[in-house]
Formats: sequence, structure tokens, C-alpha cells
Amino acid sequence: GDSVTQMEGPVTLSEEAFLTINCTYTATGYPSLFWYVQYPGEGLQLLLKATKADDKGSNKGFEATYRKETTSFHLEKGSVQVSDSAVYFCALSDSGTSYGKLTFGQGTILTVHP
Amino acid sequence: NAGVTQTPKFRVLKTGQSMTLLCAQDMNHEYMYWYRQDPGMGLRLIHYSVGEGTTAKGEVPDGYNVSRLKKQNFLLGLESAAPSQTSVYFCASRRDYLTDTQYFGPGTRLTVL
Repeated sequence: GDSVTQMEGPVTLSEEAFLTINCTYTATGYPSLFWYVQYPGEGLQLLLKATKADDKGSNKGFEATYRKETTSFHLEKGSVQVSDSAVYFCALSDSGTSYGKLTFGQGTILTVHP
Repeated sequence: NAGVTQTPKFRVLKTGQSMTLLCAQDMNHEYMYWYRQDPGMGLRLIHYSVGEGTTAKGEVPDGYNVSRLKKQNFLLGLESAAPSQTSVYFCASRRDYLTDTQYFGPGTRLTVL
């Protein structure tokens, strides 16, 4: 079945540091890939997505590129802020299913210090 | 436009009690989902619905029932709560089969003693 693996956390950075959160996936078919963010005490919000190979999703300074050859969708940001502290989830939606199930990674906790 | 809302936000139950979680969306979405979130495990799909009057099992359906009598509402029921059902429950909706983005509610934190 489909699966998503995220880098082990938590990740602690200083403000303005470079961020990478690794995500790799296993899927049949041609999934869409997502990054969701969960701020403390809130639900999940879509951060960015990519629907086919070599697509780059971007939002709020975050970027991720759909790499089919390495089955990866790593999240990057050039300069993090304290307000980026949250839990980040990588997920895929298999277009081969009729109901669009999302398969999530385990989440990575990011803490950014001033 | 409130998006996806969930009630209640918090609940504490004793083992064997029952309760219903309500999810409502005002975006006229066809698809709705219930997930549970447990530490270190991401989110797992409990049940889903592809339209009013339809429901289907996800990957962890045991101990839960659902109903979708109105398009805008998706109810999750626990008939006899167990400590293993202590979790954070999220509802999500999706416009239709042509789109793939799901929109999430704020969650319900349930503790079963």
C-alpha cells in the first residue's frame, strides 16, 4: 500500500536558518503530493502541493519539488521565522482511488528560536 | 464562510459511554472524511463519505459509526468508548472527485478514562 516517510524530529533551528524536512513516498499510480502545517491548537492547513513530476509547489517562502525519480517531496525554506514553529505533515493522495484518501507521514515538529 | 467546523472542541468520557462528534461544512463539498491523530502516527482515516446518504470504511473503522443525512454534516459516533479511542479527531472535506485538496476542521480532543 501507499506510505509516506518523514525525517525524524523534532527539528530545532534559530531564526533565519535554512530549513529542510525530508519526505519520501511509496505509491502505485501517480499521486498528488502535499505539505500540510498544523499550528499549536489548530487544525491542518494546506501549505503547498504538487500534482505531477517536476512540479514545484510554493507558498509563504516554503518550496517543495515533486521528484519522481527519487520518490521525494522535500520541504525547504531559506530563512525561517519564529512564527513557522508548527508540525509539518507530508501527504499523498492517490489518484487511482475513487475517494481520494490522503496518506500522511508521521509529522515533524519544528521549533524556531529567536 | 466558516469552512469546516467541529463540535465539541474537547470531551472527556468514561469507558463504555457514547457520544457523537459533529462536523459541518459550508462549502457545498461532496466528500467528507473523519481522521484520528495519534502521536508519532500522522493521521489515519476512520470513515469517509462521497456524497449525501453514503458512507464507507477507512483504514481504522472499528468502534466507530458515521452518518451523512445532510450534505453539509458528517457525524462520527462512538457507541461504547474505550481508552484506545483517546485521540484528536479531525474532519475534512473535499469539493469533488475532480479536486484533490482536503480542508480540515480545528479538531476535537477526546479523552476516554
